[in-house]
Amino acid sequence: DQQVKQNSPSLSVQEGRISILNCDYTNSMFDYFLWYKKYPAEGPTFLISISSIKDKNEDGRFTVFLNKSAKHLSLHIVPSQPGDSAVYFCAASAHSGYALNFGKGTSLLVTP
Amino acid sequence: DAGVIQSPRHEVTEMGQEVTLRCKPISGHDYLFWYRQTMMRGLELLIYFNNNVPIDDSGMPEDRFSAKMPNASFSTLKIQPSEPRDSAVYFCASSHIRGDEQYFGPGTRLTVT
Repeated sequence: DQQVKQNSPSLSVQEGRISILNCDYTNSMFDYFLWYKKYPAEGPTFLISISSIKDKNEDGRFTVFLNKSAKHLSLHIVPSQPGDSAVYFCAASAHSGYALNFGKGTSLLVTP
Repeated sequence: DAGVIQSPRHEVTEMGQEVTLRCKPISGHDYLFWYRQTMMRGLELLIYFNNNVPIDDSGMPEDRFSAKMPNASFSTLKIQPSEPRDSAVYFCASSHIRGDEQYFGPGTRLTVT
């Protein structure tokens, strides 16, 4: 049972434009959310996180928004760069446990 | 810092054989995680350790899978006997603090024929 869902398997964006990656979750106990980035033949690398007490967290070109009522979060990348082309995973964990539940990922392609 | 180290990077074996995957976490990290990535199920947590003690192994698919952490700098994931459906990329990750972001190794691509 997939508790974290990334419904768009792929996304293509032009360089310089905004990339918006979406993630939905079903478990209301989740209180910590993370985004990971993965290049081929490498492990996922941590990108940005947000706690449920916040609705926005920003780090340079990357901003994560959390809408708890909708159980939805999104990752905005502005401006997008070709080096951002990778698979992006959304993950979530619950206060009562530690297991990170991952979505299946969205493959982002940023074209010049 | 060398990061999380996994070996081998690729493993091809025949059905029925024993497979052992190895992981060296980042020094000083108290938590170690084993994940499996497949196209069908994405990234799944198999088991995690805290201070070398297994805390949650509910993700281990079957008794054919076992994991150990004999010391703070080494862990193994063993599959015996292996089956074709075990073919996947297996990741090891470590973290310092519960709830902190996890650092992943490069993964082991396992192919069972």
